[in-house]
Amino acid sequence: SYEVTQPPSVSVSPGQTARITCSGDALPKKYAYWYQQKSGQAPVMVIFEDSKRPSGIPERFSGSSSGTMATLIISGAQVDDEADYYCFSADSSGNHKVFGGGTKLTVL
Amino acid sequence: QVQLQESGPGLVKPSETLSLSCTVSGGSISSGGYYWSWIRQHPGKGLEWIGYIYNSGTAYYNPSLKSRVTISADTSKNQFSLKLSSVTAADTAVYYCARGDEDSSDHWGQGTLVTVSS
Repeated sequence: SYEVTQPPSVSVSPGQTARITCSGDALPKKYAYWYQQKSGQAPVMVIFEDSKRPSGIPERFSGSSSGTMATLIISGAQVDDEADYYCFSADSSGNHKVFGGGTKLTVL
Repeated sequence: QVQLQESGPGLVKPSETLSLSCTVSGGSISSGGYYWSWIRQHPGKGLEWIGYIYNSGTAYYNPSLKSRVTISADTSKNQFSLKLSSVTAADTAVYYCARGDEDSSDHWGQGTLVTVSS
């Protein structure tokens, strides 16, 4: 079965740039989507189609993708950005959709 | 602004069928172009895509759950539903319904916890 892989945790100081990676064999052909989930809340999409930002998402959130790796970038991370972040994509057929295991971002 | 709300039993016995509904307000599930999804999250764990329905009748499922899952839509009630058969404790999770396109979900319900226990 298809998988996308994320690091379990990333830690940065406030104001630094946080980078969370997502690797998967189909990423050269399939978009990556990124969700932020704060404790006890439903996930919120922060990046779609690799690098596009939904309305209402702060500009410090951006995304990129190259080869088999997609990256969520939080420039000038804030304490309020502490959350679990999930990558979401699909296998090459598009029919098998998967979430990455999630990355816990700590900002302190 | 579309809103989604999950409903259903919070406790299901092992081997029985889990049944949840998602009521949609602020938009019609029969309006074209949207995919209506179910996602779950085991306690303290990550997200798992269960499947989606679109065009009020065509569904795709996670291959690992396909043999036990049915997603259907009731346009008269503006709801879509999830049925998961032969549940075990491993199906204990928070279940979310969501709306989006084929590749992502941009509106989510708040989630509902379903516990499988005798």
